[in-house]
Amino acid sequence: DAGITQSPRHKVTETGTPVTLRCHQTENHRYMYWYRQDPGHGLRLIHYSYGVKDTDKGEVSDGYSVSRSKTEDFLLTLESATSSQTSVYFCAISVSSGSYEQYFGPGTRLTVT
Amino acid sequence: DQQVKQNSPSLSVQEGRISILNCDYTNSMFDYFLWYKKYPAEGPTFLISISSIKDKNEDGRFTVFLNKSAKHLSLHIVPSQPGDSAVYFCAASVHGGSQGNLIFGKGTKLSVKP
Repeated sequence: DAGITQSPRHKVTETGTPVTLRCHQTENHRYMYWYRQDPGHGLRLIHYSYGVKDTDKGEVSDGYSVSRSKTEDFLLTLESATSSQTSVYFCAISVSSGSYEQYFGPGTRLTVT
Repeated sequence: DQQVKQNSPSLSVQEGRISILNCDYTNSMFDYFLWYKKYPAEGPTFLISISSIKDKNEDGRFTVFLNKSAKHLSLHIVPSQPGDSAVYFCAASVHGGSQGNLIFGKGTKLSVKP
């Protein structure tokens, strides 16, 4: 158990509204990631962070922003949600810079109507 | 262009038999490969990994084989158990690249029948 929690676990929102998803970890890991999982696409990286205030884009970053003001929290924001952002969102951590293994949270199911 | 491919969306196996899940990749820079298992409504869980300097890694019932010349890896589960029924994702990474970001395949749904 990597001590990762995600909130909320489920959310339904309307098109055009802002949404923020939170990932919280308890073990001060430096690297954190946000993925989305969609049928037929596997997991795709949205953004990642390699330290407080240090973030970078992943494969599918359009329409998303992130912030990391504390080591333990990594926030994913949809500034104006669209139906194409309906998905399951997973947060992950990497336990060290030399480790490839990532450990995932339980996920947030987001539905944009 | 998909860099990590799992061409079989599903696989059905009888309990006690071997399950073989396959994965192909196109990027010759990948040097580390991982398998994850995912149950419905849960996050993926790390299963087993292999470095490109090896051709086999074993952990209990799970063995991963890597064929670099063919850019192919496979996960063998022996013997298969009903609790192994899940979606299996193959992932790959480049050493020192983009903070170890993983590229995932689309997954293979394994069903193990009692």
